[in-house]
Amino acid sequence: RKEVEQDPGPFNVPEGATVAFNCTYSNSASQSFFWYRQDCRKEPKLLMSVYSSGNEDGRFTAQLNRASQYISLLIRDSKLSDSATYLCVVPGNTPLVFGKGTRLSVIA
Amino acid sequence: GAGVSQSPRYKVAKRGQDVALRCDPISGHVSLFWYQQALGQGPEFLTYFQNEAQLDKSGLPSDRFFAERPEGSVSTLKIQRTQQEDSAVYLCASSRRPAQRSTWVYEQYFGPGTRLTVT
Repeated sequence: RKEVEQDPGPFNVPEGATVAFNCTYSNSASQSFFWYRQDCRKEPKLLMSVYSSGNEDGRFTAQLNRASQYISLLIRDSKLSDSATYLCVVPGNTPLVFGKGTRLSVIA
Repeated sequence: GAGVSQSPRYKVAKRGQDVALRCDPISGHVSLFWYQQALGQGPEFLTYFQNEAQLDKSGLPSDRFFAERPEGSVSTLKIQRTQQEDSAVYLCASSRRPAQRSTWVYEQYFGPGTRLTVT
């Protein structure tokens, strides 16, 4: 298994929809997990940190399943401005290992 | 407050030229990271500094790549004899605490990147 794997998408969803992305990781010892958002030709920006079972921030919920070694990101009531690439990030053989990202397009 | 800054934002180099990319981390941040991001890929780790010490350079792709952070703040990534495959966005990130391999790291904050094109 690769250190971090994500479905590249794209996920094309209408405004107002709920969408979820999964990310699997191989390092069972990892204790901290992150979701970053990256807009086209911009730098990654921290969206959420996950240190225990999950975290919620407004329309965004991140959940951690240690037994199955995956984290998920749920976006409720999608907005046009949510269109971006979402990167899953996990400690690994280097300080942080990034997934390749999942591309989301929210359509009016 | 001020975030991570990088310069230049764009660099075009002819194959074989040397380039130097600069990163100014957030003031007081202990950890500094360099990443390489190719089109359509996630950032790939290059090297990590804790203050002025380069603790991990396992991601540097060849001995043409060299990084330093002599005073524990500003860092420079140097690429010698650039090749076309070096074309990418080079991202710098900083974190307020030390990074620990394998288990626990703290949030990183990224600069805008330097887009390097080697012709």
